[in-house]
Amino acid sequence: DADVTQTPRNRITKTGKRIMLECSQTKGHDRMYWYRQDPGLGLQLIYYSFDVKDINKGEISDGYSVSRQAQAKFSLSLESAIPNQTALYFCATSDYETQYFGPGTRLLVL
Amino acid sequence: RKEVEQDPGPFNVPEGATVAFNCTYSNSASQSFFWYRQDCRKEPKLLMSVYSSGNEDGRFTAQLNRASQYISLLIRDSKLSDSATYLCAVNILRTVIQGAQKLVFGQGTRLTINP
Repeated sequence: DADVTQTPRNRITKTGKRIMLECSQTKGHDRMYWYRQDPGLGLQLIYYSFDVKDINKGEISDGYSVSRQAQAKFSLSLESAIPNQTALYFCATSDYETQYFGPGTRLLVL
Repeated sequence: RKEVEQDPGPFNVPEGATVAFNCTYSNSASQSFFWYRQDCRKEPKLLMSVYSSGNEDGRFTAQLNRASQYISLLIRDSKLSDSATYLCAVNILRTVIQGAQKLVFGQGTRLTINP
């Protein structure tokens, strides 16, 4: 079983819709992250959390919100999706040195 | 100037060749450095960390040059299976929380090894 899982894996939605991407991990890590990846732009950090009570904005948090429901769960919400939020979204956890990424969610906003 | 920059390539090299990538970073306070590998449509996976003294893992060698603010990755005797995108990552976070990371990634260098 995968250590970091993301649901859904693929999603098509319309402009203005609210959407939630979910991430779960079984690695027991306190630290979790959400990134988006666009072609030619690498990974950009949206939000990160060092423990259940800690939430921090990353480089591109506008238009996104997160919830850390438990150590193992970190969800990302788009309150009102717009087409330029079309991207590949990755969740990650980290230990002292390595970030472990989930398989990604491919989101298309029409 | 971007915080972390890589030549996006693509690099097309024949099997068995040696290939090297550089990655420059702008924040001199950066704490730690990494190379990740990403296969097409897959998640990134850590390839190796980059230590001040440099490190080697089989055919892969990573170097850090703090004075010039760049890291490098050298792949010797390249294999077809080395074809991937290589992302450099820099931890810019200063924190008392041990191991906490705030990584800034380069845009990735795409490598294709040709038979």
